[in-house]
Amino acid sequence: DAGVTQSPTHLIKTRGQHVTLRCSPISGHKSVSWYQQVLGQGPQFIFQYYEKEERGRGNFPDRFSARQFPNYSSELNVNALLLGDSALYLCASGGEGPSTDTQYFGPGTRLTVL
Amino acid sequence: GIQVEQSPPDLILQEGANSTLRCNFSDSVNNLQWFHQNPWGQLINLFYIPSGTKQNGRLSATTVATERYSLLYISSSQTTDSGVYFCAVEGDFGNEKLTFGTGTRLTIIP
Repeated sequence: DAGVTQSPTHLIKTRGQHVTLRCSPISGHKSVSWYQQVLGQGPQFIFQYYEKEERGRGNFPDRFSARQFPNYSSELNVNALLLGDSALYLCASGGEGPSTDTQYFGPGTRLTVL
Repeated sequence: GIQVEQSPPDLILQEGANSTLRCNFSDSVNNLQWFHQNPWGQLINLFYIPSGTKQNGRLSATTVATERYSLLYISSSQTTDSGVYFCAVEGDFGNEKLTFGTGTRLTIIP
């Protein structure tokens, strides 16, 4: 079975632009979470979605939004990009239930904002 | 929110050595996972271990939930063990997010 997939792998944007990152969970998993990892730090929780509904939100501004589709894939959108948004964005796929259980991470999207 | 501290922050060892990584957390948890992040950024699950002891080959982990700590043991280290090891927890009140520690950077020298 395929693991968690994310696209694109790398992305370069300029300040003020908008970006959309995509994630497909492991087949059969209904929960998707997004994390931001700044260089030298541990990942920080952004959102969790389960059955297309937001189940949790981290301490991030409203410029960050996400959604989950009927096939359980997910998009993370970031508007009005700032230099500080440069980071590795990780998607995690959970089990069949809404609790975190065992989380499996994708390879990440590395975003650079110039 | 829950605080997660890992020690040591950095560890440099010769190939073949054994190591112990520690994770302390500030509140009761219902989920604790250990991850290895390779140089390309991929987070690889090592253990799901909210309590008790598990072993997988050269790696083992123990979580003492009542004392709020977890240990990851790596025996007979190999150069492929190099990378950053993270402990991540979900608080007992189930806010459905993982809080990561600051990580331990392990370097194995041939």
